[in-house]
Amino acid sequence: EAGVTQFPSHSVIEKGQTVTLRCDPISGHDNLYWYRRVMGKEIKFLLHFVKESKQDESGMPNNRFLAERTGGTYSTLKVQPAELEDSGVYFCASSQDIRLEEQYFGPGTRLTVT
Amino acid sequence: RKEVEQDPGPFNVPEGATVAFNCTYSNSASQSFFWYRQDCRKEPKLLMSVYSSGNEDGRFTAQLNRASQYISLLIRDSKLSDSATYLCVVNMGFTNAGKSTFGDGTTLTVKP
Repeated sequence: EAGVTQFPSHSVIEKGQTVTLRCDPISGHDNLYWYRRVMGKEIKFLLHFVKESKQDESGMPNNRFLAERTGGTYSTLKVQPAELEDSGVYFCASSQDIRLEEQYFGPGTRLTVT
Repeated sequence: RKEVEQDPGPFNVPEGATVAFNCTYSNSASQSFFWYRQDCRKEPKLLMSVYSSGNEDGRFTAQLNRASQYISLLIRDSKLSDSATYLCVVNMGFTNAGKSTFGDGTTLTVKP
């Protein structure tokens, strides 16, 4: 069974540009999560989808971040315009059952904003 | 104060040593608890779920003390391959089940 995949693995962009990250969860997993780790800090929750609906987006830092999951399959996270402090590793995770269950993480996208 | 706090580390131990990691969480409504392992520049992977009754998987033992809001991980007979960062993760469970809160992680290096 394929795991969670993310694209791209690395992205280097200039301040003010736009970047779109993609996550493909494990097939059949209704729950999809985005997390971010900035350098020197802990992994922090951004948001949670159940199918195509946003269940919790309390961790989204500001309105420069937009997450979508049309059709309830893959998800995109767009940063527009990117700022220097957006640099970090963006992880996507998925789980089948929301109740007390392990989340399976993707390899992450390393974003560098210069 | 952080919601999940871990031993700052790093821990440098010889092969065969026993090492223990500690974690405390601040939200008493937390429902589920995990230890994840993260290798350098890789994604976190579940090591163990943590239950009040304690659970053991080979050389690894996890304990949860809800009264003290404390979680531990014990690694016996350390191997070189145990070198990694260990993340304590707390989840709110049913009421806000998706949102996992991570500790900073504790880095373990096992040396020959």
